[in-house]
Amino acid sequence: AQKITQTQPGMFVQEKEAVTLDCTYDTSDQSYGLFWYKQPSSGEMIFLIYQGSYDEQNATEGRYSLNFQKARKSANLVISASQLGDSAMYFCAMSPKGDFQKLVFGTGTRLLVSP
Amino acid sequence: SQTIHQWPATLVQPVGSPLSLECTVEGTSNPNLYWYRQAAGRGLQLLFYSVGIGQISSEVPQNLSASRPQDRQFILSSKKLLLSDSGFYLCAWSIKQTYGYTFGSGTRLTVV
Repeated sequence: AQKITQTQPGMFVQEKEAVTLDCTYDTSDQSYGLFWYKQPSSGEMIFLIYQGSYDEQNATEGRYSLNFQKARKSANLVISASQLGDSAMYFCAMSPKGDFQKLVFGTGTRLLVSP
Repeated sequence: SQTIHQWPATLVQPVGSPLSLECTVEGTSNPNLYWYRQAAGRGLQLLFYSVGIGQISSEVPQNLSASRPQDRQFILSSKKLLLSDSGFYLCAWSIKQTYGYTFGSGTRLTVV
């Protein structure tokens, strides 16, 4: 069975600074995908970034990058130049690659960006 | 472009009443459809998924059921709500053989 662990219930960062949100995972699958979603107070889940298990390079999407360390089974999200609008819950998730993808989510990290 | 609609946005229902939440997807065919629940301050729990019309798989035994009467319509139901059914319900879809979900805007259900 797959499992996602996010050990930081809350993180604080000042505007314009970088922050790393931790995520470790456990799976016996050889092929899988790793995701990060943002959930603002409105509740919607916003897809941020994806990393495939066989991707050699770390994924980047604008200010978001995924620090993928396969041997350590970690997929940390790095947000550069934090903005006030980045304050939200952040969820790490993974799925096996297949015909359907049943995402398994971590418990989330609440990020608060202060001025 | 593909869009997903989920309604209602909020719902307050008494214990023992029925429930019907609807989710529809536009701009795609034969998607995988999912219902997730998020309890307050918790992560998301997969409740049901469907790979085609009339095909429903349940992940967690509970007081809820799901149906997919049309290709792009997914319905979450209950005959009698329990207090423990309160939560934030999210519908999502994905395209087969690709990765990632697109989520709806969610329904916040409070059972009183």
